[in-house]
Amino acid sequence: QSALTQPASVSGSPGQSITISCTGTSSDVGSYNLVSWYQQHPGKAPKLMIYEGSKRPSGVSNRFSGSKSGNTASLTISGLQAEDEADYYCCSFAGTSTFYVFGTGTKVTVL
Amino acid sequence: EVQLVESGGGLVQPGRSLRLSCGASGFIFDDYAMHWVRQAAGKGLEWVSGISWNSGSIGYADSVKGRFTISRDNAKNSLYLQMNSLRLEDTALYYCVKASNQLLYGWFDPWGQGTLVTVSS
Repeated sequence: QSALTQPASVSGSPGQSITISCTGTSSDVGSYNLVSWYQQHPGKAPKLMIYEGSKRPSGVSNRFSGSKSGNTASLTISGLQAEDEADYYCCSFAGTSTFYVFGTGTKVTVL
Repeated sequence: EVQLVESGGGLVQPGRSLRLSCGASGFIFDDYAMHWVRQAAGKGLEWVSGISWNSGSIGYADSVKGRFTISRDNAKNSLYLQMNSLRLEDTALYYCVKASNQLLYGWFDPWGQGTLVTVSS
């Protein structure tokens, strides 16, 4: 099972909106409503930002939103802030043989 | 507050074994599945293994199948990963992660701080 495909890097100026794509297949992203997104600052453990494709856990800013269309999921960060600079990973359940596949990761830079 | 504390990492030679442990607190441990996820230095995340609330369902990544064994002790609120026949490519930070429900499908929240496993001769 190959990793989900994400852009290596995305950048934006403070206040702008950026979108990170996460492309999988009909065996993972396209088959299950179980895409999640994680934010990871350098030297820190990942933090859940979005689950079930578009739901935000308690405590996560509403500037973060998720969506899915076909085999591609997306994470949008609106009103970009300096603290959003981090690595972001998508993840999808992929059935009871493979179980989980992570994305390749995207480094977000705030200009 | 949910806390996950990993231990057991270290330097080990190729072909040898290591056992990781994860102590959990702040939630009803046997109400949730648990997972191990690893990250090599400078690399992305890789799901390693997961175990359902009652150990009835277990899964492994192909890269560790047949070499790693996940287990849990609900009486001790603890998760384990027995790693045998270790390879150089198993070198990584291993995270203990709480699942979103009792079963093996869902999402991961929260994550422990990780324990470092280094396989080197």
